[in-house]
Amino acid sequence: DQQVKQNSPSLSVQEGRISILNCDYTNSMFDYFLWYKKYPAEGPTFLISISSIKDKNEDGRFTVFLNKSAKHLSLHIVPSQPGDSAVYFCAASPDNNNDMRFGAGTRLTVKP
Amino acid sequence: DGGITQSPKYLFRKEGQNVTLSCEQNLNHDAMYWYRQDPGQGLRLIYYSQIVNDFQKGDIAEGYSVSREKKESFPLTVTSAQKNPTAFYLCASSIQRGQPQHFGDGTRLSIL
Repeated sequence: DQQVKQNSPSLSVQEGRISILNCDYTNSMFDYFLWYKKYPAEGPTFLISISSIKDKNEDGRFTVFLNKSAKHLSLHIVPSQPGDSAVYFCAASPDNNNDMRFGAGTRLTVKP
Repeated sequence: DGGITQSPKYLFRKEGQNVTLSCEQNLNHDAMYWYRQDPGQGLRLIYYSQIVNDFQKGDIAEGYSVSREKKESFPLTVTSAQKNPTAFYLCASSIQRGQPQHFGDGTRLSIL
């Protein structure tokens, strides 16, 4: 039962353009959402998070948008750089619980 | 530098053999976790521990065991009861439950 879904296994964008990675969830109890970035042969690293009381959180080139009614969040990277090429995981959890659920990941390739 | 160290990076197991994956952190984090990643799937929680001498089963604990005798260490044993152990295993820690997790670089386990 995948409660967090990343329906695009891969995404390719040109350097300098916007990358938009999408994530959908089914559990209405989720109220804390995170994005992780993973390079080959390394563990995921935390990128950015958002709680359900917000609909947007921005950190430099990275912005996460949350649409609670649609149970959808997205990560925008502007402008995209070749070093952003990695697998991006979406994760969600109820605020008071360890039970974090991860999506299957989207592989982003940024072409020079 | 603080971080999480997983060893070994690659591990091979013979049929019927137990193997133990090491995870050590020097981040002074209370919570530690073990995940399994299979191709095309998100990270699935095997076990987690919120404090020393306490641990709880995750979604796929069957065939695995853990211990948490020290705050810094959370080893995972893959027992012979785990019929499909070939996977990428990730250890993580967080200051406390619900906080972003820091991951190790993973151990890839294969069956000979």
